[in-house]
Amino acid sequence: AQSVTQPDIHITVSEGASLELRCNYSYGATPYLFWYVQSPGQGLQLLLKYFSGDTLVQGIKGFEAEFKRSQSSFNLRKPSVHWSDAAEYFCAVPYSSASKIIFGSGTRLSIRP
Amino acid sequence: GAVVSQHPSRVICKSGTSVKIECRSLDFQATTMFWYRQFPKQSLMLMATSNEGSKATYEQGVEKDKFLINHASLTLSTLTVTSAHPEDSSFYICSAPGTGEVMNTEAFFGQGTRLTVV
Repeated sequence: AQSVTQPDIHITVSEGASLELRCNYSYGATPYLFWYVQSPGQGLQLLLKYFSGDTLVQGIKGFEAEFKRSQSSFNLRKPSVHWSDAAEYFCAVPYSSASKIIFGSGTRLSIRP
Repeated sequence: GAVVSQHPSRVICKSGTSVKIECRSLDFQATTMFWYRQFPKQSLMLMATSNEGSKATYEQGVEKDKFLINHASLTLSTLTVTSAHPEDSSFYICSAPGTGEVMNTEAFFGQGTRLTVV
């Protein structure tokens, strides 16, 4: 069965520093992969998605992610974080369709002033 | 993009009462919607699939008699937490799949409902 693993529960980075959040997937076929962000007390916002094609995916808010089949990874990156990026980040894969989601355990991002 | 509206955003209820949460697709039709639950500091877990015109499909371990789902129309699904208890306190969020050219390629989420049972 498909699944995603986010090994980091909580990460703290300084404002302006670069960021990488890890995600490893288990998927039988070519995976669909998502990154969602959840601000405190808020719903979910899709940052980016990978379906096929270019393995480097650009998303909103300056985020990008790279699909690496050899490593079964889809890590999220941002070159310079802002205080407003503090939130919970979820990597996800679909169940049977891309609209029914299996979420990773999440990584909480804190920003150090 | 498509908009999914969820209401209420927060609700506090007394133990033993029932609470209804609405999920609406505002500018598109959704024959299917999904309900998730998120306990504090945990991930989101799929509870059930709401199907317009037929019974909801529940995930393993979710009590269908406790979490009543009704897909009343092509734009509305409701989740009723019956006889709520403090352990039902959680964040509930719904989603609907996209339509047209994004059919089955993206989920659109509501804003979520924070339920507190006292």
